[in-house]
Amino acid sequence: AQSVAQPEDQVNVAEGNPLTVKCTYSVSGNPYLFWYVQYPNRGLQFLLKYITGDNLVKGSYGFEAEFNKSQTSFHLKKPSALVSDSALYFCAVRDTRNAGNMLTFGGGTRLMVKP
Amino acid sequence: DAGITQSPRYKITETGRQVTLMCHQTWSHSYMFWYRQDLGHGLRLIYYSAAADITDKGEVPDGYVVSRSKTENFPLTLESATRSQTSVYFCASRPDTLPNQPQHFGDGTRLSIL
Repeated sequence: AQSVAQPEDQVNVAEGNPLTVKCTYSVSGNPYLFWYVQYPNRGLQFLLKYITGDNLVKGSYGFEAEFNKSQTSFHLKKPSALVSDSALYFCAVRDTRNAGNMLTFGGGTRLMVKP
Repeated sequence: DAGITQSPRYKITETGRQVTLMCHQTWSHSYMFWYRQDLGHGLRLIYYSAAADITDKGEVPDGYVVSRSKTENFPLTLESATRSQTSVYFCASRPDTLPNQPQHFGDGTRLSIL
């Protein structure tokens, strides 16, 4: 079975400060990992993914994520937060041994960036 | 414009009624998905489809029916709506070229069942 956890319901940061949104996963094989962002009354938008290769993945809007196999984590990071980054963030995982095509999503983390 | 559209965006109905949520994509993606989003649960997969006339159950399929007669459309029907089905419903699609491609989401349908 595959699962993903986002341990923080909300993360608060000041504009200009670095941000981290945490994600841990569990799979029996190797993971495909994704981060999505959701703005109010909108669908999820893809930010970045880890498939294989470099552990540091760069994505849209200056976001990046670090894959750590030993800690089974895929934390989302940004060096300098913007107020416009305030949104709901979802981590998702798919086990490469999963014969189906289902993604499992975490419960989401609300990011609040204050001026 | 190319993309994935859901209709209606908002719907209010009563328990016991049948309601159909529509999803249309213009990319000719093979895979399409239906999710529901509820506080505290994130997104949960209801049904998905690998191609026209091929559908499969997700995590929470009970009370829902899907069909896919054409590649571009993937309607979701609640045959007899219940209050527990009040939720925000999202449709998504992705190409079948590689299994690691991201899904593309519509803007959702907010469904309230009274």
